[in-house]
Amino acid sequence: QVQLQESGPGLVKPSETLSLICTVSGGPISSYYWSWIRQPPGKGLEWIGYIYYSGSTSYNPSLKSRVIISVDKSKNQFSLKLNSVTAADTAVYYCARDGYNFYFDYWGQGTLVTVSS
Amino acid sequence: EVVLTQSPATLSLSPGERATLSCGASQSVSSNFLAWYQQRPGLPPRLLIYDASSRATGIPDRFRGSGSGTDFTLTISRLEPEDFAVYYCQQYGSSPWTFGQGTKVEIK
Repeated sequence: QVQLQESGPGLVKPSETLSLICTVSGGPISSYYWSWIRQPPGKGLEWIGYIYYSGSTSYNPSLKSRVIISVDKSKNQFSLKLNSVTAADTAVYYCARDGYNFYFDYWGQGTLVTVSS
Repeated sequence: EVVLTQSPATLSLSPGERATLSCGASQSVSSNFLAWYQQRPGLPPRLLIYDASSRATGIPDRFRGSGSGTDFTLTISRLEPEDFAVYYCQQYGSSPWTFGQGTKVEIK
């Protein structure tokens, strides 16, 4: 059974960089696409971007200028960096596995990141 | 980008009743690449339906997805207590992948 777990700081100051790691267990990171998705408190879901195990990426244009997603196959992890954060970036951040056609079949439990000074 | 509009925003029903949730797309969803998710409070979304009408592994057959093009429907034939939650549709036919704003199914 594939499991995903997000980790990283729960509080980030405005203008700084949000950094999260997703650790994948129960299966290899190879041969799949892996995404980050976020959900502001009480609101809906927003896809941030994905990475393929080979390292190729695709980002949501709304965040593209501020996002980097990378992968570390040796650790079965992928990571998210979002720079120049503001209060609008406060959200629960989820990592997820993209199924065969980019629906999300496995999700992490999510981690709340608050942007505040 | 493809904008998904879900209706109604809230559905008030009793256990045992039938729920019909709609998801409309601003343009045709390529290859009917549309998924439905259930989200209970404090938990991540759970995949119910993919490719518009295929049930995900372990999903009971009371959940049925249908539709094509710009109009999609999730039907829950008989609501169980655990089905009261928020439901989201998501399209993955064209990037960026987008979600609807959600429909809350609440106990009447």
